[in-house]
Amino acid sequence: GNSVTQMEGPVTLSEEAFLTINCTYTATGYPSLFWYVQYPGEGLQLLLKATKADDKGSNKGFEATYRKETTSFHLEKGSVQVSDSAVYFCALLMDSNYQLIWGAGTKLIIKP
Amino acid sequence: DTAVSQTPKYLVTQMGNDKSIKCEQNLGHDTMYWYKQDSKKFLKIMFSYNNKELIINETVPNRFSPKSPDKAHLNLHINSLELGDSAVYFCASTAHGSYEQYFGPGTRLTVT
Repeated sequence: GNSVTQMEGPVTLSEEAFLTINCTYTATGYPSLFWYVQYPGEGLQLLLKATKADDKGSNKGFEATYRKETTSFHLEKGSVQVSDSAVYFCALLMDSNYQLIWGAGTKLIIKP
Repeated sequence: DTAVSQTPKYLVTQMGNDKSIKCEQNLGHDTMYWYKQDSKKFLKIMFSYNNKELIINETVPNRFSPKSPDKAHLNLHINSLELGDSAVYFCASTAHGSYEQYFGPGTRLTVT
């Protein structure tokens, strides 16, 4: 079946550090891939997306590239801020049923 | 304007009680969802409604019942509450053919 695997958190970094949160997926067919972010006390919101292989999604300094050969969609940011502290969810969507398959979430803690 | 709203934000109740959580979206979306998020932030889809029809129903106890009086509302009714029902419940919505889900702020349910 379809699934998403994220690196386990929490991930703790100092401000201005480089961030990578790993995400790999298993899917039959060609899913669309997403990163959602959940700030403390809030609901999830879409951070970025990629709908086909080699697409790069980007938003708020975050980037992720859809790698079909490695079935990955790793989230990166060059210089994190304290305000980036949140839980990040990787997800995939199959066109067949428009159901999102969620990863377990990775908590990111940025220390000043 | 709040796109997806939920009430109440906090709900504390005793085991065995029956309670409801309300959700409303003003985005004109066709599909609405209920998710349960546990203390480890794991997100589990419970139900979704598309044009007043239930289209996803995961392995959720039948004590949980979604009720959709119209396209803009999807309420969650829970009978005979148990300690394990304590979690944050999120409502979300999406437009037909879209990949982006819009989440409400969540309802933190505590069963004592």
